[in-house]
Amino acid sequence: GENVEQHPSTLSVQEGDSAVIKCTYSDSASNYFPWYKQELGKRPQLIIDIRSNVGEKKDQRIAVTLNKTAKHFSLHITETQPEDSAVYFCAASTGQAGTALIFGKGTTLSVSS
Amino acid sequence: GAVVSQHPSWVICKSGTSVKIECRSLDFQATTMFWYRQFPKQSLMLMATSNEGSKATYEQGVEKDKFLINHASLTLSTLTVTSAHPEDSSFYICSARDARRGGSNQPQHFGDGTRLSIL
Repeated sequence: GENVEQHPSTLSVQEGDSAVIKCTYSDSASNYFPWYKQELGKRPQLIIDIRSNVGEKKDQRIAVTLNKTAKHFSLHITETQPEDSAVYFCAASTGQAGTALIFGKGTTLSVSS
Repeated sequence: GAVVSQHPSWVICKSGTSVKIECRSLDFQATTMFWYRQFPKQSLMLMATSNEGSKATYEQGVEKDKFLINHASLTLSTLTVTSAHPEDSSFYICSARDARRGGSNQPQHFGDGTRLSIL
């Protein structure tokens, strides 16, 4: 089955700096790669996703890149703000109907002002 | 947007009790729902895939007789933790996709989760 590795496990940046979180996946059939932000005790919130027919996607300060050949994808947050502090999870899913998302272990991002 | 309602949000009960958690898709139909478990400071681990009208598919290491799943309609799946023990204490989260949109490369919509504490 799918296995998703995520790095780093913790990331501390100064407000205004950029943050990058990287993930690799094992199943070459995976074609959907979302990123979630989770605050303590709450549900994961989808912040951006990318599908395998696209190499890059951007939404304001957040961007995701995908390299299918290398089987890795990354989350880029620019101009970080204290409210960006949370746990971020990457995930992957194959094209089979009814297949669940498999999550990475998460990255705790701390943005200090 | 698509909403998944999960109930209850918090349960505290004695060891040996069985606890039922409900997951409802409020404005869409879900032929498949997913149950995840999340221990403190850890990731979401897939427990099982709940299929409407058929048996659930459990991940390796998850006891199907302990975690009973029923998906009797296109909008409701339930997870029952039978004879719960302290080691079952965790955050349980369900999710679902809109069946009309098809495929697995569509967003999963998550419930708010249930925090289960077994004394």
